[in-house]
Amino acid sequence: EDQVTQSPEALRLQEGESSSLNCSYTVSGLRGLFWYRQDPGKGPEFLFTLYSAGEEKEKERLKATLTKKESFLHITAPKPEDSATYLCAYSGAGSYQLTFGKGTKLSVIP
Amino acid sequence: SAVISQKPSRDICQRGTSLTIQCQVDSQVTMMFWYRQQPGQSLTLIATANQGSEATYESGFVIDKFPISRPNLTFSTLTVSNMSPEDSSIYLCSVPGQGGGYTFGSGTRLTVV
Repeated sequence: EDQVTQSPEALRLQEGESSSLNCSYTVSGLRGLFWYRQDPGKGPEFLFTLYSAGEEKEKERLKATLTKKESFLHITAPKPEDSATYLCAYSGAGSYQLTFGKGTKLSVIP
Repeated sequence: SAVISQKPSRDICQRGTSLTIQCQVDSQVTMMFWYRQQPGQSLTLIATANQGSEATYESGFVIDKFPISRPNLTFSTLTVSNMSPEDSSIYLCSVPGQGGGYTFGSGTRLTVV
């Protein structure tokens, strides 16, 4: 069965303390792996799309990587404004719909 | 990327009534998606709405409960019918965006009492 699992469910970091969020996925054919940021009371904000194993993308303090079974969102020297829920999702081959994980709630403490 | 205006942003409704949620996109898009986000859960796709055809519903969602309209390439509505407290969720619309990603509306937080 196709599925996606994110860990940890919640992560509390000190400002400047780098870490990684994990997204494990099982899909028969991957069209794309997506990362989103969601702030309370708002819709998800698109961050990255990864298409093939070995691909990496960066944006400010965030870097997303992809293997055949997992994706990581690395956060370097986070700031309090990085506090949010980070969602991982995939779309399977031949499909445009997204299947989401439950997310990782990140809190960055000053 | 497209900009989506979704409304209402929130509502409190009596059980047994219906609520219609609107999404307006600032550009023409073929596909529009409707998601539900229940408390503490991930986003779940309700249906895909293409202009000029019937919406395609995912397993567990039926047209009588969640009728969708797609009158043109910039607008869609989702109605939550005969509501019960279990329908209390955030409802979101989404369209394909640039860079292979998808743009989401700001969501409608529905509470059924």
